[in-house]
Amino acid sequence: EDQVTQSPEALRLQEGESSSLNCSYTVSGLRGLFWYRQDPGKGPEFLFTLYSAGEEKEKERLKATLTKKESFLHITAPKPEDSATYLCAGAQGGSEKLVFGKGTKLTVNP
Amino acid sequence: NAGVTQTPKFQVLKTGQSMTLQCAQDMNHNSMYWYRQDPGMGLRLIYYSASEGTTDKGEVPNGYNVSRLNKREFSLRLESAAPSQTSVYFCASSTGLVSNQPQHFGDGTRLSIL
Repeated sequence: EDQVTQSPEALRLQEGESSSLNCSYTVSGLRGLFWYRQDPGKGPEFLFTLYSAGEEKEKERLKATLTKKESFLHITAPKPEDSATYLCAGAQGGSEKLVFGKGTKLTVNP
Repeated sequence: NAGVTQTPKFQVLKTGQSMTLQCAQDMNHNSMYWYRQDPGMGLRLIYYSASEGTTDKGEVPNGYNVSRLNKREFSLRLESAAPSQTSVYFCASSTGLVSNQPQHFGDGTRLSIL
């Protein structure tokens, strides 16, 4: 069964304290690994798509990387406005379906 | 820049009542999706429509029906609401995962069933 597991479930950081979120996946014929940000009361907002092992993408303080078994979202010198739940999802081969993880809730304290 | 618009934003129903959740997108996307999000469960796909005129079941379709009214609109209907369907419902659209394009989400409908 296809599965995406995110860890930790929750993470508290001080402003400026860098860290990484993990997304482990077993998705048949993975065609893409997606990262989203979700703020309270809002829908998920697209951040990145990674297609192949070794690929990296960056946006401001965020950098996403992909291996054959997992993806990492690295947050460098976070600010309070980076506080959100971060979701990862795998696209199944030959399908319109995304398999979502349960998310990591990030809190950045000033 | 409306993107994906969902109505209503909030709704309270009694058990057994019926309701239709509306979703419209203005990005000329082919594919549309309905998810539910529950605490500790993550996003689960209910139904999707890969193109106008087609619909397919997702992971949790029981108790729901959908209609792809045209390319812009995709509605979700609860025929006889049950407390287990209390959830936040999200609609999304995409040019299509076959092309590895991301899904874009609306801000959800918060549904409570008493």
